[in-house]
Amino acid sequence: DAKTTQPTSMDCAEGRAANLPCNHSTISGNEYVYWYRQIHSQGPQYIIHGLKNNETNEMASLIITEDRKSSTLILPHATLRDTAVYYCIVRVDRDSNYQLIWGAGTKLIIKP
Amino acid sequence: KAGVTQTPRYLIKTRGQQVTLSCSPISGHRSVSWYQQTPGQGLQFLFEYFSETQRNKGNFPGRFSGRQFSNSRSEMNVSTLELGDSALYLCASSLSGNTIYFGEGSWLTVV
Repeated sequence: DAKTTQPTSMDCAEGRAANLPCNHSTISGNEYVYWYRQIHSQGPQYIIHGLKNNETNEMASLIITEDRKSSTLILPHATLRDTAVYYCIVRVDRDSNYQLIWGAGTKLIIKP
Repeated sequence: KAGVTQTPRYLIKTRGQQVTLSCSPISGHRSVSWYQQTPGQGLQFLFEYFSETQRNKGNFPGRFSGRQFSNSRSEMNVSTLELGDSALYLCASSLSGNTIYFGEGSWLTVV
């Protein structure tokens, strides 16, 4: 199974861009990379996902390297409310069923 | 559009008892999956239901079971509760199993 490796924790100043790295060196060609975040005591919130191309939505940008072995989630202007655990996840297809393989996540702390 | 709704939000049970948790998916979503989250083990996949059929299952003992109704609402049941079952139980729904959207979870404490 493809697995992800993320830093345990990171700090970022409020108003700056937060760049969260993720390694997924064993990812297969048809496996998507998903990002979720979880604010304490709440359910995980979907952020963005991608396969090969870079993606952007109202929350964040996802940059995937050409070899697909790593990716970076970018929060362009971090606010205090972005403090959360961020999960980089690979979606594995098993017999046409999808399963998300969760890692330990990165605890992102936004500092004023 | 209403999100995924889970009930109850918090509950306390005694060892040996059983518990049933409920999940109402986002309207139109037919896939419902369940996860257990504990500080030590992180997020672990329990099972997924689609059109009332279980189509994916994680590595949990048979004490953990679930079902899905014709309106896509789902329940999960844990029998013979153990202290280690104390966790946040998360339900997620999706249109067809790809991008999933989570509820706020049910906090279960077993004493």
